[in-house]
Amino acid sequence: DSGVTQTPKHLITATGQRVTLRCSPRSGDLSVYWYQQSLDQGLQFLIQYYNGEERAKGNILERFSAQQFPDLHSELNLSSLELGDSALYFCASGSGRSNEKLFFGSGTQLSVL
Amino acid sequence: AQTVTQSQPEMSVQEAETVTLSCTYDTSESNYYLFWYKQPPSRQMILVIRQEAYKQQNATENRFSVNFQKAAKSFSLKISDSQLGDTAMYFCAFMKPSNFGNEKLTFGTGTRLTIIP
Repeated sequence: DSGVTQTPKHLITATGQRVTLRCSPRSGDLSVYWYQQSLDQGLQFLIQYYNGEERAKGNILERFSAQQFPDLHSELNLSSLELGDSALYFCASGSGRSNEKLFFGSGTQLSVL
Repeated sequence: AQTVTQSQPEMSVQEAETVTLSCTYDTSESNYYLFWYKQPPSRQMILVIRQEAYKQQNATENRFSVNFQKAAKSFSLKISDSQLGDTAMYFCAFMKPSNFGNEKLTFGTGTRLTIIP
């Protein structure tokens, strides 16, 4: 168990819909990272938050947004969903002090039908 | 930008044998970290081993060891006495440290390793 909690584990929805993925980092970790894993794109970095502030942005679509709350949990919001958004979405957490290790949650498998 | 290349999409080896997974990377940085992550069928991403670029000594974790060649930008993973539970996708990853807490991992495309009974 990595200590990073992601919910839900599975999500099935239809095109055009909006979903929210939730992540609770390990106790004491201030940084949360979101990654998308798909068959054609591999593991892609989406966005990172550190202690409530956005710190880095990767290949995140404008239809996607995220935030980190005062209790340090983070949510990734995906809207106007398309078939191609079907993927495994990982959250990872790190200490934020020159992160040397990132620990991953078990992921949320999103299926857009 | 950093890139990570894993040139072996799939590998298989008999149980108890030794197998080496290859990884090369491209960076202009002198200080960085390299990782191997394992993703078994459960799809959990599990940290296997980490190497600091400033350390010449190769990292070792039980049956897992790396061969880090900084000049060649090569970072291979050796699994000794392979076990059925080693069957997984293995990802090589690069991280550039930052004082701003915004490090991110750049992953390779992965090597699917199958241990044959």
